[in-house]
Amino acid sequence: DSGVTQTPKHLITATGQRVTLRCSPRSGDLSVYWYQQSLDQGLQFLIQYYNGEERAKGNILERFSAQQFPDLHSELNLSSLELGDSALYFCASSVGSRLAGSYEQYFGPGTRLTVT
Amino acid sequence: AQKVTQAQTEISVVEKEDVTLDCVYETRDTTYYLFWYKQPPSGELVFLIRRNSFDEQNEISGRYSWNFQKSTSSFNFTITASQVVDSAVYFCALKGGGSQGNLIFGKGTKLSVKP
Repeated sequence: DSGVTQTPKHLITATGQRVTLRCSPRSGDLSVYWYQQSLDQGLQFLIQYYNGEERAKGNILERFSAQQFPDLHSELNLSSLELGDSALYFCASSVGSRLAGSYEQYFGPGTRLTVT
Repeated sequence: AQKVTQAQTEISVVEKEDVTLDCVYETRDTTYYLFWYKQPPSGELVFLIRRNSFDEQNEISGRYSWNFQKSTSSFNFTITASQVVDSAVYFCALKGGGSQGNLIFGKGTKLSVKP
């Protein structure tokens, strides 16, 4: 158990809908990362938050957004869903810092999203 | 640009065989970090090891060992006396030395250990 929790574990929804994925980092970790894992793209970085602020953006679509709350949990919002958004979405956390980020990331169990 | 290449897509071995998973990376950063993660059939990603670019010492942890060679930009992972429980997809990942913390993953190597 990595200490990172994600809910829900599975999500099935229809095209055009909007969903919210939730992540709670390990106790003491300030950085939260979101990754998407699909068969064709592999593991792709979406976005990073550090202590409530957006730190880095990867290949995140404009239909997707995220935030990190004062209690450090994070939510990833996916809207106008398409079939191609079906994937495993991972949240990871690390101790992090403003300058570093070399610390290993611990991953949650993932949320498997199926868009029908 | 930063890139991680795991040329071996799938490897199949028989239990007790030794197996090496290859990882080649590209980066222009002088400081960087390399990682290995394991993804068993259950789907979670399990952290195995982190190596800093300024520390070229190889590491051994039980049946696992890692060989880091800056001269060839490689960070290979060897499992000695493989077991069925080692069956998983293994990912090599890179993080540059900048303030962004995201990992760049290779495509992964699927290891099947047969009894």
